[in-house]
Amino acid sequence: SQKIEQNSEALNIQEGKTATLTCNYTNYSPAYLQWYRQDPGRGPVFLLLIRENEKEKRKERLKVTFDTTLKQSLFHITASQPADSATYLCALASYSSASKIIFGSGTRLSIRP
Amino acid sequence: GAGVSQSPSNKVTEKGKDVELRCDPISGHTALYWYRQSLGQGLEFLIYFQGNSAPDKSGLPSDRFSAERTGGSVSTLTIQRTQQEDSAVYLCASSLGGRGRTDTQYFGPGTRLTVL
Repeated sequence: SQKIEQNSEALNIQEGKTATLTCNYTNYSPAYLQWYRQDPGRGPVFLLLIRENEKEKRKERLKVTFDTTLKQSLFHITASQPADSATYLCALASYSSASKIIFGSGTRLSIRP
Repeated sequence: GAGVSQSPSNKVTEKGKDVELRCDPISGHTALYWYRQSLGQGLEFLIYFQGNSAPDKSGLPSDRFSAERTGGSVSTLTIQRTQQEDSAVYLCASSLGGRGRTDTQYFGPGTRLTVL
């Protein structure tokens, strides 16, 4: 069955360092992958999308890589700040079946001052 | 413009009662999704509406769950004879939808359902 795994339930990083979150998947051939941020008591908010034919995408302090051979995406936050503390979810999707968007369980990131 | 809204924000009910959760998607979005999120868990897909097509109900966990979308806009998720395991946050999302395009979802704040 299709499965997404995010590297750990929680990640604790010192402010200013780069946070790296991992998303691995099996039994799926996604057309694109998305990363969302979720704060407590709120719905997820879209951050970045990367297509299967793209290796890397950047947005301000965020960087996403996508390796379809390894079936893995890495999500980096550089110069991390306490305000970056949240849960980050990865999601896989295909063009042919929008309802088959599959979300990982998320990684809770804490940035300590 | 206005985002996705959901009501109520919190719902406490007794086991065996029926509940209705409402979602108002972003105007012009043809796709609408319902997810369930239990504490510390990822999003569990429930149902998907796309335009006038038949909904994808493959994620509904039992026949106690149903959803409808009237006029291609507002959606209602109904849970009949609620059970304690139904307690979770129910999230609604909408998107522009359509095949062959990337589909970024915009989520509402969710409805926290507690079944006593």
